[in-house]
Amino acid sequence: SAVISQKPSRDICQRGTSLTIQCQVDSQVTMMFWYRQQPGQSLTLIATANQGSEATYESGFVIDKFPISRPNLTFSTLTVSNMSPEDSSIYLCSVVQTYEQYFGPGTRLTVT
Amino acid sequence: AQSVSQHNHHVILSEAASLELGCNYSYGGTVNLFWYVQYPGQHLQLLLKYFSGDPLVKGIKGFEAEFIKSKFSFNLRKPSVQWSDTAEYFCAVKNYGQNFVFGPGTRLSVLP
Repeated sequence: SAVISQKPSRDICQRGTSLTIQCQVDSQVTMMFWYRQQPGQSLTLIATANQGSEATYESGFVIDKFPISRPNLTFSTLTVSNMSPEDSSIYLCSVVQTYEQYFGPGTRLTVT
Repeated sequence: AQSVSQHNHHVILSEAASLELGCNYSYGGTVNLFWYVQYPGQHLQLLLKYFSGDPLVKGIKGFEAEFIKSKFSFNLRKPSVQWSDTAEYFCAVKNYGQNFVFGPGTRLSVLP
């Protein structure tokens, strides 16, 4: 199974600023996924991060707001840009390995 | 597009009661089915999965789930819950070549 770590685990940010979340996996994976879990809700896929190519964004999410980097097969970052209180959420990094999906511990973001 | 529904938003049980959480999905074809659990303050963990074969699958901690293809269902069961089962439970479905789709989650509260 894949072991995933995320930094930071939580942060409180001011409106209008940006936060970059890091995701590290203990093995090489082709695709990494970024999810958002808003309070009391299920997981919503933001984008799929492929190494060596542009990330693929789901409907309702755009690169200018959530730029993603994928410099190698074990690491990715998600930036939440120009934050507003509506961006307060848990952001989860995830990978698929042998048809199972594994999740990082999440980054709890509060925007004031 | 695939969608996943879970019958209950919040279930409250006493210890030793039996549990059944409903999950239905909308699109047929070849599906892989999963139940994930998120304990308070912890990240998502895989509880059990179904790929093929015996439609009754057993997972960790005494949980099991039954895949009924004709009903597009994958209900989670446990004969006797414990206080430590208090958590959020997510059903997820993956069609071949598609991303995982998660249900809205069911919060289980077990009273001691």
